[in-house]
Amino acid sequence: NAGVTQTPKFQVLKTGQSMTLQCAQDMNHEYMSWYRQDPGMGLRLIHYSVGAGITDQGEVPNGYNVSRSTTEDFPLRLLSAAPSQTSVYFCASSRIRKANEKLFFGSGTQLSVL
Amino acid sequence: EDKVVQSPLSLVVHEGDTVTLNCSYEVTNFRSLLWYKQEKKAPTFLFMLTSSGIEKKSGRLSSILDKKELFSILNITATQTGDSAVYLCAVEAREYGNKLVFGAGTILRVKS
Repeated sequence: NAGVTQTPKFQVLKTGQSMTLQCAQDMNHEYMSWYRQDPGMGLRLIHYSVGAGITDQGEVPNGYNVSRSTTEDFPLRLLSAAPSQTSVYFCASSRIRKANEKLFFGSGTQLSVL
Repeated sequence: EDKVVQSPLSLVVHEGDTVTLNCSYEVTNFRSLLWYKQEKKAPTFLFMLTSSGIEKKSGRLSSILDKKELFSILNITATQTGDSAVYLCAVEAREYGNKLVFGAGTILRVKS
């Protein structure tokens, strides 16, 4: 049982480059989300999706796009990378998004933007 | 603004010690509080607390929630080096599709 799979694990970009972080889950979860983790700030929600075809912004969405064409996949796109986007990115999913449903996390992508 | 504050920020103890990690929160429309353990990779789920005063226990770890005073504690007894990790507290809030608001974490290092 793979759970939540993120790729790549590490990435270095130059300012202005674009890239896509991949996230896939095999648990048939409706809810998927992207968080970024920065030192001293905890994890912050970037975007989330409550089902295929439905996405919405979290608290720090600027500079990122998402799409949810299938239940399994929820890619995060950086349109024009900036040094401020250097962070560790986590994808997380849950069966649905309501009280008492715990989140399952992927293993993270460490991104450096030079 | 929703806020979760964890203390201490970091802690160094010796094997066998007991530690208490704190989490206080200010969240509108509180639903639940969760504790996660993070060891270099993905946070792994420890506990979910929804009711005050009911202790959740798993081996040497236990946690309790006080919804009146808006805090939770995570206790680890007889610590082992394998307990070294970042412990994250998160509170479920109603906005952003019931998002989790995370604290910055407590870094625990257990020395042998």
